[in-house]
Amino acid sequence: GQQVMQIPQYQHVQEGEDFTTYCNSSTTLSNIQWYKQRPGGHPVFLIQLVKSGEVKKQKRLTFQFGEAKKNSSLHITATQTTDVGTYFCAGLRGGYQKVTFGTGTKLQVIP
Amino acid sequence: GAVVSQHPSWVICKSGTSVKIECRSLDFQATTMFWYRQFPKQSLMLMATSNEGSKATYEQGVEKDKFLINHASLTLSTLTVTSAHPEDSSFYICSAEPRANEKLFFGSGTQLSVL
Repeated sequence: GQQVMQIPQYQHVQEGEDFTTYCNSSTTLSNIQWYKQRPGGHPVFLIQLVKSGEVKKQKRLTFQFGEAKKNSSLHITATQTTDVGTYFCAGLRGGYQKVTFGTGTKLQVIP
Repeated sequence: GAVVSQHPSWVICKSGTSVKIECRSLDFQATTMFWYRQFPKQSLMLMATSNEGSKATYEQGVEKDKFLINHASLTLSTLTVTSAHPEDSSFYICSAEPRANEKLFFGSGTQLSVL
């Protein structure tokens, strides 16, 4: 079956440092979504990427979809303590109605 | 944005009892809802896809007689954990999408503890 892996599993950064999480799918995706889950909370949608090579920005967050539509990345510039949480990518294959969540990257920001 | 309400937020029950969890879409109709299970520090594992007016589609390895899903209306899906055992203790969370293949909105989750 489809597998979606994320690296790293955990990341501790000093506040102000940059952070990147990488998402890799075993199959080609029709689109990819990113979610953030705060400790004790539920996942919250961040963005969806659809096109090959697409890059989208949300303030300090930059999302990228690979040319082959099998990988994606999320980069946070100058992290803040409010960025703490677990970031999940979620891939959707064409013809399927459900997304497969990645393994997640837990970000800890040290003030 | 769309709101998905999930109740209860937490439940403690004795082994052998059944627990019902509700998931409601408050401001949109959801023909499809999804139920996940999440263990501490792990990802969301899809258990089943709940389809309004028809049987749920269960993922491989998920017992349909153990985890009963009912999607009786366009705004409500329920998950019943039957004859719960301590190994069923987990965080259960539902999601719904106002439009197919677009973003998911999640309920706040239910922490189930079976004693």
